[in-house]
Amino acid sequence: SQQGEEDPQALSIQEGENATMNCSYKTSINNLQWYRQNSGRGLVHLILIRSNEREKHSGRLRVTLDTSKKSSSLLITASRAADTASYFCATAQYSGGGADGLTFGKGTHLIIQP
Amino acid sequence: DAGITQSPRYKITETGRQVTLMCHQTWSHSYMFWYRQDLGHGLRLIYYSAAADITDKGEVPDGYVVSRSKTENFPLTLESATRSQTSVYFCASRGAGVNYGYTFGSGTRLTVV
Repeated sequence: SQQGEEDPQALSIQEGENATMNCSYKTSINNLQWYRQNSGRGLVHLILIRSNEREKHSGRLRVTLDTSKKSSSLLITASRAADTASYFCATAQYSGGGADGLTFGKGTHLIIQP
Repeated sequence: DAGITQSPRYKITETGRQVTLMCHQTWSHSYMFWYRQDLGHGLRLIYYSAAADITDKGEVPDGYVVSRSKTENFPLTLESATRSQTSVYFCASRGAGVNYGYTFGSGTRLTVV
């Protein structure tokens, strides 16, 4: 079953604008991760935020996490055509063994118009 | 992706046939995972492994078998392929710490006819 749900399902913006994607989840987590997938390719890890963190930055990416609302957002600033891809949030809930795997949402398809 | 290789890239097989998808990683990561990606379902975990000879079921394990005799290899076998197993399969690996991202392979697109 899906843990994370991204919103919106699709987003189209102009190059140079900022893109914001949201993710909601259902159970308590150890960390939340964002991945990018270009068409026909594998997923690429973008950023990880731990459950005790509220905000994290990496280059043009900014991730926030609100564990009280069980939600996260990914902001891509100054978007570029190369940012066109699908973006997935994934949550990690480790029961002790450490290898329980990530649970992915269905993704947001981002299109950057030139 | 550098360091984790999946083969074949594309595969067409017939219903009822056995097929094995290969996954090889060069980082000596302890943890490896198999996911399938389908429209409308996103990525779902099939099996995972914490180390050589240690494997466990994920969300959708029925019809699949895995083995891990060596740390670097984690093959996924469809014992008797069905049309519902038509999908894109991704292998991933992760280091020992829980707060690390996963590295994914490029995927195998499997079509069962």
